[in-house]
Amino acid sequence: DAKTTQPTSMDCAEGRAANLPCNHSTISGNEYVYWYRQIHSQGPQYIIHGLKNNETNEMASLIITEDRKSSTLILPHATLRDTAVYYCIVSPLIQGAQKLVFGQGTRLTINP
Amino acid sequence: DVKVTQSSRYLVKRTGEKVFLECVQDMDHENMFWYRQDPGLGLRLIYFSYDVKMKEKGDIPEGYSVSREKKERFSLILESASTNQTSMYLCASRGTAGTQYFGPGTRLLVL
Repeated sequence: DAKTTQPTSMDCAEGRAANLPCNHSTISGNEYVYWYRQIHSQGPQYIIHGLKNNETNEMASLIITEDRKSSTLILPHATLRDTAVYYCIVSPLIQGAQKLVFGQGTRLTINP
Repeated sequence: DVKVTQSSRYLVKRTGEKVFLECVQDMDHENMFWYRQDPGLGLRLIYFSYDVKMKEKGDIPEGYSVSREKKERFSLILESASTNQTSMYLCASRGTAGTQYFGPGTRLLVL
């Protein structure tokens, strides 16, 4: 699996956009970028994923650079409930069982 | 929305007890997973199942077994609980596009 690099921690003001970067310079052509988050004492929550194109859903937007070596997760209007550890994962889309490997992630704190 | 439920949020057991952790998903997913999460060690895969009665060992299967008698239910069994199995246990179900949906977790304390 390709490795990812994320900042250890970030702060963002409530109501502002939170932009979480992720470097994945060794990503392979068949690997997707997935984002999950884990709020304290809860199970990880899927946020979004993408291959090449930018993606948006009701939770967030994912911007992937043209060379695919990095990406940014954008929470457009952060709330206090978005305080969590955010994990960027690269993995191929395969059939059968797929193991997710979570790194250390970015601890995002939303401040009032 | 996909829902993955786990039988208990918190559990306290004694050393040597047999422990059952149950997980149920409501999306007819074929693949289900059991992880444990410990501070500084991240998520580690214990077992996974890709169909009813089918299972494969993950990275740390020792001391654990699993059961998948029905598609929606995946059980983790600690045959004889030990203190080093104190952990947060997470069940996940895999949907389309490789996304995994996690349950709320069971925090197990073995005394």
